[in-house]
Amino acid sequence: DAGITQSPRHKVTETGTPVTLRCHQTENHRYMYWYRQDPGHGLRLIHYSYGVKDTDKGEVSDGYSVSRSKTEDFLLTLESATSSQTSVYFCASRADTEAFFGQGTRLTVV
Amino acid sequence: AQKITQTQPGMFVQEKEAVTLDCTYDTSDQSYGLFWYKQPSSGEMIFLIYQGSYDEQNATEGRYSLNFQKARKSANLVISASQLGDSAMYFCAMREREYGNKLVFGAGTILRVKS
Repeated sequence: DAGITQSPRHKVTETGTPVTLRCHQTENHRYMYWYRQDPGHGLRLIHYSYGVKDTDKGEVSDGYSVSRSKTEDFLLTLESATSSQTSVYFCASRADTEAFFGQGTRLTVV
Repeated sequence: AQKITQTQPGMFVQEKEAVTLDCTYDTSDQSYGLFWYKQPSSGEMIFLIYQGSYDEQNATEGRYSLNFQKARKSANLVISASQLGDSAMYFCAMREREYGNKLVFGAGTILRVKS
């Protein structure tokens, strides 16, 4: 099994609170990605990283920030959670010919 | 414009038969890669197969093969000898060197295997 884990797996939070999701990989992959998956929208890219401290926005980056201080860790922060950010969040890491996903985090904002 | 198009929202296949899931892509980059994933009802994303733009042979992994037609910009997934456990959502994805190596996904195809 690929070594990529997400934490927490489930979280319920209140509107307006900050939330941080963690992704940890042991594959030494350079590229890492955060996606959200919603019914009818497939997988949408939030942010991605192409190296330590190198990140860029995806298609749905508003309201999210990321940090990558080590190769193995990629953090996604919701600065002030809103109900529209209720979703399943996936992290992925990629080498040239393979890309693996974490198990997903189900986030509910109430 | 959509980068990755999966035109079949849903497909049915009889157990033990082969099935082809379509994927077309749009890129002007010469260096790109194509990925296929399976997402069963349990929700995890399972990496199936990869095809690079410079690969001359079609990729194969067990019962999965990729029918890569570069001139047509298509990368269809072929599943041979379908099993009930193949019932899932299938996603095609592409990374392009020119666009920062983002990994972008199609909308997916739901496959149902009938016994």
